Amino acid sequence: IAGITQAPTSQILAAGRRMTLRCTQDMRHNAMYWYRQDLGLGLRLIHYSNTAGTTGKGEVPDGYSVSRANTDDFPLTLASAVPSQTSVYFCASSDSAGGITEAFFGQGTRLTVV
Amino acid sequence: ELKVEQNPLFLSMQEGKNYTIYCNYSTTSDRLYWYRQDPGKSLESLFVLLSNGAVKQEGRLMASLDTKARLSTLHITAAVHDLSATYFCAGRDRDDKIIFGKGTRLHILP
Repeated sequence: IAGITQAPTSQILAAGRRMTLRCTQDMRHNAMYWYRQDLGLGLRLIHYSNTAGTTGKGEVPDGYSVSRANTDDFPLTLASAVPSQTSVYFCASSDSAGGITEAFFGQGTRLTVV
Repeated sequence: ELKVEQNPLFLSMQEGKNYTIYCNYSTTSDRLYWYRQDPGKSLESLFVLLSNGAVKQEGRLMASLDTKARLSTLHITAAVHDLSATYFCAGRDRDDKIIFGKGTRLHILP
């Protein structure tokens, strides 16, 4: 069982370029999330989705977009990358309708925008 | 909107000592989570607290929840070096967003 898979693991990106971070889960969880982690700021929620076909904005959504065409995949797109988007990005999923409901995390994508 | 605050943000302690990390949250949250993160790694779930008065223990770590005070604590008993990590608390809001605190970086000195 893979759990949550993120790709790529790391990337160096030129400013102004478009980039999609991929996230796939095989646990059939209804909810999925994207966070960015920056030193001293903890994890901040970018976008989330409670079920396929729906998405919502988190704490820091500007400059990012997401889609949720099916249960398993939740890609995060940077339309025109800027250096302030240099960060470690984590995708997570949870079974929000179940009793436990904690989020399970992917291994992260380290993105550097130059 | 749910806000989650942890303190302290950094803690250096001697092996064998006890200490507590505090997690305050601003609005009603029906779930409170604790995670551990080792340097360069992803987050690992430690505890899920579902109701007022909930207490969970795993080894030297014990987590509790007081929903009336909007406070959760993570207590470390007789710390050992292997517990050095960053610990996060998180709450779930009414829209099912999971919001994290800034984390507590714990450094345990031998």
